Amino acid sequence: GDSVTQMEGPVTLSEEAFLTINCTYTATGYPSLFWYVQYPGEGLQLLLKATKADDKGSNKGFEATYRKETTSFHLEKGSVQVSDSAVYFCALTLRVVRGKLQFGAGTQVVVTP
Amino acid sequence: SQTIHQWPATLVQPVGSPLSLECTVEGTSNPNLYWYRQAAGRGLQLLFYSVGIGQISSEVPQNLSASRPQDRQFILSSKKLLLSDSGFYLCAWNWEGRGPEAFFGQGTRLTVV
Repeated sequence: GDSVTQMEGPVTLSEEAFLTINCTYTATGYPSLFWYVQYPGEGLQLLLKATKADDKGSNKGFEATYRKETTSFHLEKGSVQVSDSAVYFCALTLRVVRGKLQFGAGTQVVVTP
Repeated sequence: SQTIHQWPATLVQPVGSPLSLECTVEGTSNPNLYWYRQAAGRGLQLLFYSVGIGQISSEVPQNLSASRPQDRQFILSSKKLLLSDSGFYLCAWNWEGRGPEAFFGQGTRLTVV
């Protein structure tokens, strides 16, 4: 079946460091891909998305490129801040049912001053 | 504008007691609605989704049920809670004319004691 695999955490970084969170997927069709962020005690917020191969999603300094050849959608940020500490989820949908997503396990990111 | 409301924010219930969590949305008609559960330290598991009034799809067998008595209302229930029902419950939705992503409520933290 369809699935999303992302790197395990926690990932601990110093402020202004470069962040990469790896995400790969398995899907029978051509999914749309997403990154969501969850701050402590809150629901999930959509961070960015890409709906077709080679699309780059970007938001708040974060970027991810939809790589069909490697079935990947890695999240990157050039200079993290303490406020970026959160859990990040990679997800996909095949759009058969609008809004029905398959999530990865989540990666906790801790940014220290 | 489109908004989602989920309550209560936190809930502590004894084993064997009933459960009712409510999610309502505003600003559009005939949305797709979702219930997810996030167990401690784990990813998101889709429990139920609904594409219309009275239409409920269950993703995993469990001690819970869902209902959609009105177009913009989605309820998660249990007749008798188990310890394993503890977790963070998230309602999500998508509506016609939006992209493929889902939008989440703030979640309910359920602790079964």
